[in-house]
Amino acid sequence: NAGVTQTPKFRVLKTGQSMTLLCAQDMNHEYMYWYRQDPGMGLRLIHYSVGEGTTAKGEVPDGYNVSRLKKQNFLLGLESAAPSQTSVYFCASSFLGTGAETQYFGPGTRLLVL
Amino acid sequence: KNEVEQSPQNLTAQEGEFITINCSYSVGISALHWLQQHPGGGIVSLFMLSSGKKKHGRLIATINIQEKHSSLHITASHPRDSAVYICAVRSETSGSRLTFGEGTQLTVNP
Repeated sequence: NAGVTQTPKFRVLKTGQSMTLLCAQDMNHEYMYWYRQDPGMGLRLIHYSVGEGTTAKGEVPDGYNVSRLKKQNFLLGLESAAPSQTSVYFCASSFLGTGAETQYFGPGTRLLVL
Repeated sequence: KNEVEQSPQNLTAQEGEFITINCSYSVGISALHWLQQHPGGGIVSLFMLSSGKKKHGRLIATINIQEKHSSLHITASHPRDSAVYICAVRSETSGSRLTFGEGTQLTVNP
């Protein structure tokens, strides 16, 4: 099993460009999450999904959209990238989403917006 | 003030030393997690606690619910333990969401 994978690993964007980050998991997990990690701050939740076809806003959702058309995939979109979105993005998944179980993390995507 | 505070922010130790990393939180919680972020960036879950103490190899995690405090101990530290250690809590009102501390950067020198 590959666990949680993320594509791409690294990307450079110019301000205003758009891109989609892909997260895939092969553990049949219901819950999937997108976080961003910035220096001096803890991981912050952007959006999450409680199952195929459902998404919800997290702590810092502005400027991002998400979709979960298939249970195994969770996409994070930036429609018009801004320098403030320079960050490392982590996807995670969990089976039940209780918060009292292990979350499995992807390797991260490093995004630089110029 | 952050809901989850870790101390110290940075810690340097010599191989073999006993290490303690602390996590304090300000909300009622139903679970606390300790995670490890490797130098390459990957994040793995070490422990999930709701009470008492857990041990895995040289790692020990404890939690005191009344004092809103948890500690992660590493016995006989080794350079391969060098990583960022992150505390995260599931509050009683947050559903499935976790709130993360900023992390503690641990460096173990040979």
